[in-house]
Amino acid sequence: KQEVTQIPAALSVPEGENLVLNCSFTDSAIYNLQWFRQDPGKGLTSLLLIQSSQREQTSGRLNASLDKSSGRSTLYIAASQPGDSATYLCAVPYNNNDMRFGAGTRLTVKP
Amino acid sequence: NAGVTQTPKFRILKIGQSMTLQCAQDMNHNYMYWYRQDPGMGLKLIYYSVGAGITDKGEVPNGYNVSRSTTEDFPLRLELAAPSQTSVYFCASSYQGLDQGTQYFGPGTRLLVL
Repeated sequence: KQEVTQIPAALSVPEGENLVLNCSFTDSAIYNLQWFRQDPGKGLTSLLLIQSSQREQTSGRLNASLDKSSGRSTLYIAASQPGDSATYLCAVPYNNNDMRFGAGTRLTVKP
Repeated sequence: NAGVTQTPKFRILKIGQSMTLQCAQDMNHNYMYWYRQDPGMGLKLIYYSVGAGITDKGEVPNGYNVSRSTTEDFPLRLELAAPSQTSVYFCASSYQGLDQGTQYFGPGTRLLVL
């Protein structure tokens, strides 16, 4: 059974800091891994999708890495801004039709 | 292009009442999903559909039913609401299966059962 864990549960940093969010998964036989952003009272927005054959993906100030063998992924946010404050969730497909989510990391970036 | 829409945004139900959560997408996606998110937890799959007329159970289907008569709509029915069904419900859709592409999420329906 695939289980996804995210550490830490919450993180508070001053504006401008670089930061890393962690995601781990128990079954390394994954198709891909996704990072989502969730704002309070809103739905999820896909940030990055890394295929199992890839080691990393970049989008602007975001960089996600994937190490299948160790069951880990990291989301690196460069030069954080208050607008980055949100909950970040990672997820992996359990099969073709079921996504398993971590509980998320709640990020607060202080001005 | 509205994406995935959900109604209502918020609802209070009494124990034993029933209701239908509505979900619609205008992206011509074959795949649609219903998740619930409890406080401090990740999303859990309730039901999914791979096309009109085809539905299947996810990880937590008990107490819920779905139908998919059109490509656009995927309503979730709660029969005999219980306090354990207090949660935020998200509908999502995708063009391909999850092994190939991403999901697009609606804004959610917050349900409180008292």
